Amino acid sequence: EIVMTQSPATLSVSPGERATLSCRASQSVSSDLAWYQQKPGQAPRLLIYGASTRATGIPARFSGSGSGTEFSLTISSLQSEDFAVYYCQQYKNWLPYTFGQGTKLEIK
Amino acid sequence: EVQLVESGGGWVQPGRSLRLSCAASGFTFDDYAMHWVRQAPGKGLEWVSGISWNSGNFGYADSVKGRFTISRDNAKNSLYLQMNSLRPEDTALYYCAKAKWAAVAGTLDVFDIWGQGTMVTVSS
Repeated sequence: EIVMTQSPATLSVSPGERATLSCRASQSVSSDLAWYQQKPGQAPRLLIYGASTRATGIPARFSGSGSGTEFSLTISSLQSEDFAVYYCQQYKNWLPYTFGQGTKLEIK
Repeated sequence: EVQLVESGGGWVQPGRSLRLSCAASGFTFDDYAMHWVRQAPGKGLEWVSGISWNSGNFGYADSVKGRFTISRDNAKNSLYLQMNSLRPEDTALYYCAKAKWAAVAGTLDVFDIWGQGTMVTVSS
């Protein structure tokens, strides 16, 4: 099983500032890495796939980078609606597909 | 509108069974693999099971293997999860999720559409 580790667990950032979230895989997943955003009481929403490709309708302030075992999600200028929990997911190997434990992005 | 609507959750005693359903609309259901992902209260996301467009390929997380069975009925645009021998650790919100591209489960499944989930509580 590929273990996904996200850091930090909680990130406190002020609106308008930049936030960078990290995700590490226990073995290479190439670029088969997705990011999801989840707000309280809502289902996850796909943000990024292929490590760096924005999903349909995702604002340009969201960007993903990395390959192999190290990945990051950057939100360039935080809006109020961006405060949420973010999960990474590897889809290189199924059985099982695995998610990170999540990073909570909170208002500073 | 592309939509997934789960149903069938509820409270059940340990050892009993429950069947979840997911009704799909707004897309060609039998073009895509489909999956179940769960989230225990206050916890992260856990992939549970996935199935190919034609039911020819499917898989399970180790935590549910041998107890849960995934199936689909393309004529009814529906996905199912039969859950047997339920345990307290199966308590979670169960989401139905659509694969973004893949028709065959296990081939680069990114989940682009999610339902709102159905809650399963296993407790005596």
